[in-house]
Amino acid sequence: DQQVKQNSPSLSVQEGRISILNCDYTNSMFDYFLWYKKYPAEGPTFLISISSIKDKNEDGRFTVFLNKSAKHLSLHIVPSQPGDSAVYFCAASGRTGTASKLTFGTGTRLQVTL
Amino acid sequence: KAGVTQTPRYLIKTRGQQVTLSCSPISGHRSVSWYQQTPGQGLQFLFEYFSETQRNKGNFPGRFSGRQFSNSRSEMNVSTLELGDSALYLCASSLQGADTGSPLHFGNGTRLTVT
Repeated sequence: DQQVKQNSPSLSVQEGRISILNCDYTNSMFDYFLWYKKYPAEGPTFLISISSIKDKNEDGRFTVFLNKSAKHLSLHIVPSQPGDSAVYFCAASGRTGTASKLTFGTGTRLQVTL
Repeated sequence: KAGVTQTPRYLIKTRGQQVTLSCSPISGHRSVSWYQQTPGQGLQFLFEYFSETQRNKGNFPGRFSGRQFSNSRSEMNVSTLELGDSALYLCASSLQGADTGSPLHFGNGTRLTVT
């Protein structure tokens, strides 16, 4: 049962444009949503997070939007840079029960082209 | 602060053997989680330890076990290795655990190959 889904395995964006990565979840017990970036041969690196009481969180070029009614979140990167090319994972967790561990999506590979 | 350290980086084992992987968390972090990453499957949760107690467990067979020591260092053991256990094993630490929204900080993983 895939509780966190990233339906786009890959995305290609031109340098300077906006990258939008999407994520859907099914468990209504999730309270926290996080995005991680992963380069080959390295562990995932935490990027940005949002709690369920907010609908937007911004950190520099990265903004995460949360739509609780649609159980959907997205990560916007503006402007995209070649160094942003990596695999992006969304993850979710909650305070109780089956949600109390950090559950990851399968990732979206972002390629930023010149 | 030093990051999460995992040893060894690479391991090659034969089917039927057992293996122990080690993880040193960031200083002050009490929660350690383990994940298995395989192509196409993303990161699959194995277990989480907090102050030496297993707090959460994923859907893996009993061949996968772990423990945490009083200094928060953690080990993961896999017995009777199978070919399908070949994967990148990632350890992550956090201040208070995933159920608080506290971000996990990952090591670079141990690449296990079972032949």
